[in-house]
Amino acid sequence: GEDVEQSLFLSVREGDSSVINCTYTDSSSTYLYWYKQEPGAGLQLLTYIFSNMDMKQDQRLTVLLNKKDKHLSLRIADTQTGDSAIYFCAEEKAAGNKLTFGGGTRVLVKP
Amino acid sequence: NAGVTQTPKFQVLKTGQSMTLQCAQDMNHNSMYWYRQDPGMGLRLIYYSASEGTTDKGEVPNGYNVSRLNKREFSLRLESAAPSQTSVYFCASREAGQGAEAFFGQGTRLTVV
Repeated sequence: GEDVEQSLFLSVREGDSSVINCTYTDSSSTYLYWYKQEPGAGLQLLTYIFSNMDMKQDQRLTVLLNKKDKHLSLRIADTQTGDSAIYFCAEEKAAGNKLTFGGGTRVLVKP
Repeated sequence: NAGVTQTPKFQVLKTGQSMTLQCAQDMNHNSMYWYRQDPGMGLRLIYYSASEGTTDKGEVPNGYNVSRLNKREFSLRLESAAPSQTSVYFCASREAGQGAEAFFGQGTRLTVV
């Protein structure tokens, strides 16, 4: 979606940390999400952050939100081969139930 | 444990043909969505239905129509298919209200020749 942008590709070695970045344009976004898509499947929710938070940690996942710069990142600690997938960030605006996704970042984990 | 079910899984159409993609959810969700996924373009919202009886356009509605038949079902119709509509189509549903998780179907791979 044109309102949400992500880099296309990330390559990382197994055991290293991955950082996936996302920028969004609408300052009224209330919730920001990270979804994971494995090959041939639909998307599954990984985590989300409310717009009044700066950080959220969930096991190996850390979400950072810089609301001033409209920048969202997802850090995956100790990246595993099973983390190879496409990762999408998504924003939800304050009004209505519209959910807008970014272009997706393909993460390749090398052994 | 059906969740969101899309039919068909695969379809090949000739240019100008019409077809309807079906989506049904069994989670009693209020909101339903249709997205298309193209390489390098991510997921783009075609139409969504915030609740039964309402539908709204997304980013790329041209060439599509939708029907929210009831709370469970949300169909996407291509009246006159074009090669530019070759894509993978995903239906999703979720509870109304912000912060709710969206549940996705397995997708329909459509090729228009």
